[in-house]
Amino acid sequence: EADIYQTPRYLVIGTGKKITLECSQTMGHDKMYWYQQDPGMELHLIHYSYGVNSTEKGDLSSESTVSRIRTEHFPLTLESARPSHTSQYLCASSDLLGQHEQYFGPGTRLTVT
Amino acid sequence: AQKVTQAQTEISVVEKEDVTLDCVYETRDTTYYLFWYKQPPSGELVFLIRRNSFDEQNEISGRYSWNFQKSTSSFNFTITASQVVDSAVYFCALSEPGPWGAQKLVFGQGTRLTINP
Repeated sequence: EADIYQTPRYLVIGTGKKITLECSQTMGHDKMYWYQQDPGMELHLIHYSYGVNSTEKGDLSSESTVSRIRTEHFPLTLESARPSHTSQYLCASSDLLGQHEQYFGPGTRLTVT
Repeated sequence: AQKVTQAQTEISVVEKEDVTLDCVYETRDTTYYLFWYKQPPSGELVFLIRRNSFDEQNEISGRYSWNFQKSTSSFNFTITASQVVDSAVYFCALSEPGPWGAQKLVFGQGTRLTINP
């Protein structure tokens, strides 16, 4: 059973606010990922990290930023939220020995008004 | 570029029917991994199965079975004797290698499966 947590689960916020979506895992996984899921269901990778102090952009361009200062923590920040950022954000982690399956958190559903 | 296609956007069946979800993929890699995930209404993604490109054996787990055919680049998922609890969105995904062992997932569009009582 995977232990990966995301907070908040739901967030409604006004345009222009700065927000940070939290993601933590207690499995010691070195790889972590952020996916964005639009209302049409498709999931796209926006950021990933292969270890502490590494961050990489995914296939979908995003105005968000991430950091990886600790193995267990991979927060995502939006400096100025816009309605186009309204989406579900899913965090995942994996390790090299786990044969590549990624374990997902419960997601954060963000609405920007 | 990697691509995954799930042509069935929505499927609706009556309980106890068998149902197959199709997945077709494109990749130039010789080593890759394929996955199926389930997303219930609560929103989290639940891992169902992983298959590597060198293992074409079909797999059965209870009422679930998977048919991997490299010749047609397909990785189909069948639920036998479906139940209402199987209602969810199902995603097929393909791994794309990244640096230092990171495996970026490319997802299909998802299939929304509804099992009616």
